[in-house]
Amino acid sequence: EVQLVESGGGLVQPGRSLRLSCTASGFTFGDCPMSWFRQAPGKGLEWVAFIRSKGFGGTTEYAASVKGRFTISRDDSKSIAYLQMNSLKTDDTGVYHCSRNYGFDYWGQGTLVTVSS
Amino acid sequence: DVVMTQSPLSLPVTLGQPASISCRSSQSLVYSDGNTYLIWFQQRPGQSPRRLIYKVSNRDSGVPDRFSGSGSGTDFTLKISRVEAEDVGVYYCMQGTHWPRTFGQGTKVEIK
Repeated sequence: EVQLVESGGGLVQPGRSLRLSCTASGFTFGDCPMSWFRQAPGKGLEWVAFIRSKGFGGTTEYAASVKGRFTISRDDSKSIAYLQMNSLKTDDTGVYHCSRNYGFDYWGQGTLVTVSS
Repeated sequence: DVVMTQSPLSLPVTLGQPASISCRSSQSLVYSDGNTYLIWFQQRPGQSPRRLIYKVSNRDSGVPDRFSGSGSGTDFTLKISRVEAEDVGVYYCMQGTHWPRTFGQGTKVEIK
């Protein structure tokens, strides 16, 4: 059974950093491109970042709103995708979800990030 | 960026009646491989998004056959043939053809 479990969220002050993890199971993680999404409170869905599998270079794509501040990475030995978030802003507050990039067929339950002083 | 425009944004429906949601993209969603990467998600209150339809019209396993997707190019539709109480939630279209990936604003389906 495919499972994605996000962790690492919490309350953080503006300007600080946080690293989210997406732990995967039930499929061959190393072959799978992954994405992060977010949803601000009461708002719609927003795609945040994407990473290809190592077989396709492990290259990345970012939304303009996070480019230069967020970094997506992966550890295939642990089946984890990470989202390193630096220079956090209040607008980054929301629930962060990871998803398989096989058409975004499976999503995790999300982890809440609150950026506030 | 490709702008995805959904309508209506709010859809009150009587149980057992049909419902239809439109999604229009500002550019064609046909990819160079010939596929059209238009996805529909359902998000029930308090839950994560659930994929219903992929590549315009392919229904996911476990999705009731009252849900159907159609369209081409820049114009797409999600239809629910007979709305049931469990269909309450917000429905999003998303394009997976162009970078950055973008979503429609969401359509809130509620029971009258």
